[in-house]
Amino acid sequence: AQTIHQWPVAEIKAVGSPLSLGCTIKGKSSPNLYWYWQATGGTLQQLFYSITVGQVESVVQLNLSASRPKDDQFILSTEKLLLSHSGFYLCAWRDWGYAEQFFGPGTRLTVL
Amino acid sequence: GQQVQQSPSSLVLQEGENAELQCNFSSTATQLQWFYQSPGGSLVSLLSNPSGTKHTGRLTSTTVTKERRSSLHISSSQTTDSGTYLCAMNTGYQNFYFGKGTSLTVIP
Repeated sequence: AQTIHQWPVAEIKAVGSPLSLGCTIKGKSSPNLYWYWQATGGTLQQLFYSITVGQVESVVQLNLSASRPKDDQFILSTEKLLLSHSGFYLCAWRDWGYAEQFFGPGTRLTVL
Repeated sequence: GQQVQQSPSSLVLQEGENAELQCNFSSTATQLQWFYQSPGGSLVSLLSNPSGTKHTGRLTSTTVTKERRSSLHISSSQTTDSGTYLCAMNTGYQNFYFGKGTSLTVIP
């Protein structure tokens, strides 16, 4: 069975500090991977997707970047956090084609 | 851009009552998925239903592709059904769009 893990579970960071959030999928080779963000009380918004190692497409910038260094790993990062980056970050995966998405447990980020 | 509208925005039911949640979208969907979002934020996939009717347990989803709408019916609601229900659609590639959700409260 496939499992999806996100780290850290929660972060409290200062404005201007760097950030790195991680996502790992186990039990599935070559998944499509996705990053989403949800502001408190807001709508889930897709940020990035990746269909293969080394390739990442941006959907909404938000001064964030993403990378896929390994087949089972997806990283979200920024060098300088903004207050507006606060929220809930979710990673998801799905198979090729029109398969459904499955989500990780999420990381809650608070920027002060 | 694509729009996904869910209604009602909130719903309060007595335990045992049925719920009907609606999702309307601005473009033809090739993928339509219903999720439950817990108060802690995690998402659980309920049903993937781009067209037709699908059942699982007490849940039934009906999607009418041509009319760009989908519904989620919850029968015999339980207090543990309380939470937010999200609808998400995809138009054929890698971009997914979520609605704002329906907040369901089931009281005993």
